[in-house]
Amino acid sequence: GESVGLHLPTLSVQEGDNSIINCAYSNSASDYFIWYKQESGKGPQFIIDIRSNMDKRQGQRVTVLLNKTVKHLSLQIAATQPGDSAVYFCAETSQGNLIFGKGTKLSVKP
Amino acid sequence: NAGVTQTPKFRILKIGQSMTLQCAQDMNHNYMYWYRQDPGMGLKLIYYSVGAGITDKGEVPNGYNVSRSTTEDFPLRLELAAPSQTSVYFCASSSGNTIYFGEGSWLTVV
Repeated sequence: GESVGLHLPTLSVQEGDNSIINCAYSNSASDYFIWYKQESGKGPQFIIDIRSNMDKRQGQRVTVLLNKTVKHLSLQIAATQPGDSAVYFCAETSQGNLIFGKGTKLSVKP
Repeated sequence: NAGVTQTPKFRILKIGQSMTLQCAQDMNHNYMYWYRQDPGMGLKLIYYSVGAGITDKGEVPNGYNVSRSTTEDFPLRLELAAPSQTSVYFCASSSGNTIYFGEGSWLTVV
């Protein structure tokens, strides 16, 4: 019989280019946000976080931007590498419980 | 460093069978969580615990039970397995806002 699969939004970038992954969150009371990277067959790995009293935070090759007005979060990866290929999830939390978004699959073309 | 350890990694169950997914953490974290991840989706919270002896329902608790008799262990019990419980299960722990995940348990109910 015919099977139906779920498809993640996919972002395909050239190696060396910058990547921008976007996420919309739903709860205006959320006060803490995290980006996770999940490689195939593994659990999510913490990348970077940001609190609601900030609008930008930088890590090594990654930057998270938070726009509370429109409830939007983005992850920027500089000089994307093949090892960055994975599914990226944003997560929001208020009162301790993490709520995850659906994820974006990043594919890096060599 | 062991971190968060889940067992088993893979399991096939028949409809109506019961089983327990084990989870242990060696970081002395108070908070522990069980998430399920369906194909192409983000993680959904099943149950969580803020400390030994305390458990609470998450977003999708039906069909599951948990216990937290010690700080280290947080087993997830499926009493009557159903095909809808075919998923990947992730245990996690945290001491604050950053959550550390196990490698996942792949469960198939047939």
